[in-house]
Amino acid sequence: ETGVTQTPRHLVMGMTNKKSLKCEQHLGHNAMYWYKQSAKKPLELMFVYSLEERVENNSVPSRFSPECPNSSHLFLHLHTLQPEDSALYLCASSQERQIVNEKLFFGSGTQLSVL
Amino acid sequence: AQKVTQAQTEISVVEKEDVTLDCVYETRDTTYYLFWYKQPPSGELVFLIRRNSFDEQNEISGRYSWNFQKSTSSFNFTITASQVVDSAVYFCALSEARSYNTDKLIFGTGTRLQVFP
Repeated sequence: ETGVTQTPRHLVMGMTNKKSLKCEQHLGHNAMYWYKQSAKKPLELMFVYSLEERVENNSVPSRFSPECPNSSHLFLHLHTLQPEDSALYLCASSQERQIVNEKLFFGSGTQLSVL
Repeated sequence: AQKVTQAQTEISVVEKEDVTLDCVYETRDTTYYLFWYKQPPSGELVFLIRRNSFDEQNEISGRYSWNFQKSTSSFNFTITASQVVDSAVYFCALSEARSYNTDKLIFGTGTRLQVFP
């Protein structure tokens, strides 16, 4: 069983829908991350949470809204998305926020298609 | 500016061939870390290796080896005697030690490796 679990694996939504992505880590880590993976682009860091507090928001549009109710769970709430938001959304965790020399543990991602 | 370039978008080899995945990085820091991650078809990125900028020794782990050369800002990854299970997208990444930038793990665009039987 992977240490980081993401649901759903696939999501198709219309531009007016509201949906949420869920991530759960079973590793006892203190930091969690949302990344966006688009075709032929580097992974983009979207949000960072450390001990349930958001510490980074990389100029992500407000139609993406993260939530971290506790150190094991991370959500990404989606509303009024655009077709260009279609991508693989990856959740990751690390022991601490400072990832200079720490490795990340990733979930399998949610493949999102916006119609 | 920090940047990671993986010029090879896709590589196809036949099983048992050796293959090298290239990674070139740019950074102004003297202290930094380099990573390789593997993303199999299941989607999750799996950590392979981490090296710091002060350790230029090459590393070998089974069929995997890494060649770190600061003079050319490269951190190349070689798979010896490739196997079908090596088929995946491989990402090189850079992390700098500057305190205000430690959340940013800069990824390359990835190299898709296909190993055919």
